[in-house]
Amino acid sequence: DQQVKQNSPSLSVQEGRISILNCDYTNSMFDYFLWYKKYPAEGPTFLISISSIKDKNEDGRFTVFLNKSAKHLSLHIVPSQPGDSAVYFCAATTGGGADGLTFGKGTHLIIQP
Amino acid sequence: NAGVMQNPRHLVRRRGQEARLRCSPMKGHSHVYWYRQLPEEGLKFMVYLQKENIIDESGMPKERFSAEFPKEGPSILRIQQVVRGDSAAYFCASSSTSGPNTGELFFGEGSRLTVL
Repeated sequence: DQQVKQNSPSLSVQEGRISILNCDYTNSMFDYFLWYKKYPAEGPTFLISISSIKDKNEDGRFTVFLNKSAKHLSLHIVPSQPGDSAVYFCAATTGGGADGLTFGKGTHLIIQP
Repeated sequence: NAGVMQNPRHLVRRRGQEARLRCSPMKGHSHVYWYRQLPEEGLKFMVYLQKENIIDESGMPKERFSAEFPKEGPSILRIQQVVRGDSAAYFCASSSTSGPNTGELFFGEGSRLTVL
């Protein structure tokens, strides 16, 4: 049973435009959410996170929005750049931090020149 | 300033053999996590260890898989009597504090296991 769902396996966006990656979760106990970026043959690298007490967190070109009532979060990248082409994983965890992260299957973002 | 180091990067085994994957966390990190990524899947949590202790192994298959993080040396993920379904990328991550809630995990580049 997928507790973290990324329903778009891939997304193609033109350079300079906004990329919006979506993530839904089913476990209402999740209270901390993270986005990781992964290039081929490399490990995932942390991008941005958000706690459930917030509904928005911004870091440069990256903004994560959290809608707790809808159990939905999204990652906005603006403007999109060629180096943003990668697989993006949404992850979630419950309070206390002793548990591992639960990851979605990832969305492959392709930035078109 | 080395990050999380995993070796081997690629490992080929025949069915029934043993696979050993090693992970050295980032300097100063005492928390290690192992994740598995099957083809076309996301990363799935396997086990969380601190030095000499297994904290959470809820994601580990009940048989053939074991993990350790000794006082000295790297963390080891061991798979006995491998089967084709074990073919996957195995990622190790480390953190300096308890759990990912207080900071992100730093991942290694992964060890790709192929079982023939």
